[in-house]
Amino acid sequence: NAGVTQTPKFQVLKTGQSMTLQCAQDMNHEYMSWYRQDPGMGLRLIHYSVGAGITDQGEVPNGYNVSRSTTEDFPLRLLSAAPSQTSVYFCASSYTSGQGRETQYFGPGTRLLVL
Amino acid sequence: GENVEQHPSTLSVQEGDSAVIKCTYSDSASNYFPWYKQELGKRPQLIIDIRSNVGEKKDQRIAVTLNKTAKHFSLHITETQPEDSAVYFCAAHTGGFKTIFGAGTRLFVKA
Repeated sequence: NAGVTQTPKFQVLKTGQSMTLQCAQDMNHEYMSWYRQDPGMGLRLIHYSVGAGITDQGEVPNGYNVSRSTTEDFPLRLLSAAPSQTSVYFCASSYTSGQGRETQYFGPGTRLLVL
Repeated sequence: GENVEQHPSTLSVQEGDSAVIKCTYSDSASNYFPWYKQELGKRPQLIIDIRSNVGEKKDQRIAVTLNKTAKHFSLHITETQPEDSAVYFCAAHTGGFKTIFGAGTRLFVKA
């Protein structure tokens, strides 16, 4: 099992450029999510998905789009990058047991710099 | 909206002492409370968790307590070691499908 994988590891963009951050998991988890991590602010939820074809907004969704066409993949799109989107982005996945949603497994992160 | 507050933001202890980190949550429907440890440049990793039907859980030197009435939960690390130095995050799974994180506590364990 590779777990949760993310690409790229590091990216530099210019203001106004678009890009897609890739996330994949091979654990057949139905729940996937995207977070951004900024110094002193912990992890903030951008978007999440409870299954293929279903997505919803988190705490800070503006400027980001997601889709979930398969159980395995959950890409995050930046439509027009801004310096305020400079951050470390983590993808995570989890499954649901009889007790409810279980803990999340995080990918290694993507470090994004927008100039 | 849903919120998780975490204190302190920085904690420095002597090796062998105990460390306590406290969190409060706002959504009374929250039912699962994980704690993550994040080392510099690495991903967050689960260290312990607790569900809303349990008041306390222990795993070797680490314990978590939950007070549902007060909406408080705490992480206790005993006999701290230098390798415990890291950033610790509390989180709460809300009544919906969101997980809200605290801002983190940077723990320094001095040898």
